[in-house]
Amino acid sequence: DAGVIQSPRHEVTEMGQEVTLRCKPISGHDYLFWYRQTMMRGLELLIYFNNNVPIDDSGMPEDRFSAKMPNASFSTLKIQPSEPRDSAVYFCASSRTVNNSPLHFGNGTRLTVT
Amino acid sequence: AQKVTQAQTEISVVEKEDVTLDCVYETRDTTYYLFWYKQPPSGELVFLIRRNSFDEQNEISGRYSWNFQKSTSSFNFTITASQVVDSAVYFCALSERGGNQFYFGTGTSLTVIP
Repeated sequence: DAGVIQSPRHEVTEMGQEVTLRCKPISGHDYLFWYRQTMMRGLELLIYFNNNVPIDDSGMPEDRFSAKMPNASFSTLKIQPSEPRDSAVYFCASSRTVNNSPLHFGNGTRLTVT
Repeated sequence: AQKVTQAQTEISVVEKEDVTLDCVYETRDTTYYLFWYKQPPSGELVFLIRRNSFDEQNEISGRYSWNFQKSTSSFNFTITASQVVDSAVYFCALSERGGNQFYFGTGTSLTVIP
């Protein structure tokens, strides 16, 4: 199994630009999660999907953030327009269930907004 | 209130020393799950172990061992004969059967000095 695959690994962009992060979950995992990690706030859950349907997006910081999961093997997290405070490492994770299965994380996307 | 507390922010040990990372959790659910993750300097989050609330048996995997004590709501992680490759940030996490998300601690940064 290839594990959770995220792209790009690094993204540097200017304030105001649109950023799209991509994720391919592990096949057979029904749940997909987007997390953000910063020094100040640690790991924060942004949104999670079950069978491609968004279940809880209460962690999405504001309307500039949006996430989609058009099919079981692909999800995107979009920030438009980006701001310097969005700089963080964004992780995608997948699991078989919502609570008793471990999360399997991708390698993360390090986003820098200048 | 924090659901998962990792009071040790940073620990340094000399190679071959034993080290214990503390994790204290809080939940009202009778069924819950505890996890440990490792985040090495390369940045990925690696799943180490999961325990169910109804299984208090301690677990050993090579140099790693975990001590789960419901009476003190603790799930501590011990590395025996530490090695430089153990240098990483270690996260403890909790999920509840009645919930829909993982609660991560703030992490303990372990440095093993050669």
